Amino acid sequence: DAKTTQPTSMDCAEGRAANLPCNHSTISGNEYVYWYRQIHSQGPQYIIHGLKNNETNEMASLIITEDRKSSTLILPHATLRDTAVYYCIVRVGTNQAGTALIFGKGTTLSVSS
Amino acid sequence: KAGVTQTPRYLIKTRGQQVTLSCSPISGHRSVSWYQQTPGQGLQFLFEYFSETQRNKGNFPGRFSGRQFSNSRSEMNVSTLELGDSALYLCASSLALAGPYEQYFGPGTRLTVT
Repeated sequence: DAKTTQPTSMDCAEGRAANLPCNHSTISGNEYVYWYRQIHSQGPQYIIHGLKNNETNEMASLIITEDRKSSTLILPHATLRDTAVYYCIVRVGTNQAGTALIFGKGTTLSVSS
Repeated sequence: KAGVTQTPRYLIKTRGQQVTLSCSPISGHRSVSWYQQTPGQGLQFLFEYFSETQRNKGNFPGRFSGRQFSNSRSEMNVSTLELGDSALYLCASSLALAGPYEQYFGPGTRLTVT
């Protein structure tokens, strides 16, 4: 089972910041938080990942709380093309456990003009 | 750098037949994973290969199998197809097995079983 909890759906106006929350209260010390998104019928797209520090790349920012029990993905200026299902996943990243991702149901983000 | 490629993109098979899907990972990536996506069950992990060996396996029947070649390319096979095997099959590649490496997904193969 997925180890994260996300809202089923969210709406965002084009040009505004989209803040997608994720709860991972049982996260272990060696588990990373990953975010992927899937635009209808395409393969999931990697967005960003982090362990405990906040991370930023050209697509988004990831804010992880100090206790690491929750995180927020921020799309700073949402566009219509950001409409997708967003998945928050936790995964061990420091041993030979492999790279398998356990997907939950994700959050459907709808960006409108 | 070219992304993950999967062939064929679309496939229609009849119940009882078998099917083989192919995946070419990103150059330099050595880990390949397979996923099944259906409307009812969502995205589910099938198995992962690294250095031509299956390293992890999801909860799927033995009809689902795979292999990896020395150039990291991978194939998955489904035998005795059932209607419920209709799904989008996704392949993902990663740099290595250990470490916080992200996975990159291909466009998928849409399998329809009639």
